[in-house]
Amino acid sequence: DVKVTQSSRYLVKRTGEKVFLECVQDMDHENMFWYRQDPGLGLRLIYFSYDVKMKEKGDIPEGYSVSREKKERFSLILESASTNQTSMYLCASSLIPLGETQYFGPGTRLLVL
Amino acid sequence: EDQVTQSPEALRLQEGESSSLNCSYTVSGLRGLFWYRQDPGKGPEFLFTLYSAGEEKEKERLKATLTKKESFLHITAPKPEDSATYLCAVAQGGSEKLVFGKGTKLTVNP
Repeated sequence: DVKVTQSSRYLVKRTGEKVFLECVQDMDHENMFWYRQDPGLGLRLIYFSYDVKMKEKGDIPEGYSVSREKKERFSLILESASTNQTSMYLCASSLIPLGETQYFGPGTRLLVL
Repeated sequence: EDQVTQSPEALRLQEGESSSLNCSYTVSGLRGLFWYRQDPGKGPEFLFTLYSAGEEKEKERLKATLTKKESFLHITAPKPEDSATYLCAVAQGGSEKLVFGKGTKLTVNP
């Protein structure tokens, strides 16, 4: 059964803090993705990775970085959290080739005060 | 610019009242069209993938169809537990990204 897990369901952080969001998949998928979802804006791609230590910018990478040291784990890092990064963060994974079905985790709702 | 437009934005049905949700797209070289269901506060749950015009897929009360310009998600005799936001996304040939619509929020009243 397909499973993508995210480290936290809810997080509250202060402006300027460094924030780590973790995502783990157990399906041996090559591709992993980070999105944010905001009312009225839909899902927007932040970063994706198609292999260990490989990453590509999505549509809104500013203020974020990522790390993929192992195939099953993809981390999203907010170097210095800001209030406009308050959002729902969703991780997804898929097989290659790109364009295959993406399976999503439960989401992390982040509030930056 | 590649676009995915879902309509209506919101739909309210009575239990048992069948209807359809629409997803129209303008991408070149469609590689796949995906339907997801999303409950409040949760991640999208995969429903269907369609790859070519004329293709249809069914799951319980849901049936997805695809033409060259749009996809429909037909809901037959819906139940209150079908209430959710339904998302459509497309994958374009040569691109690594999915383009998502903004979703249709479906409410089924008992």
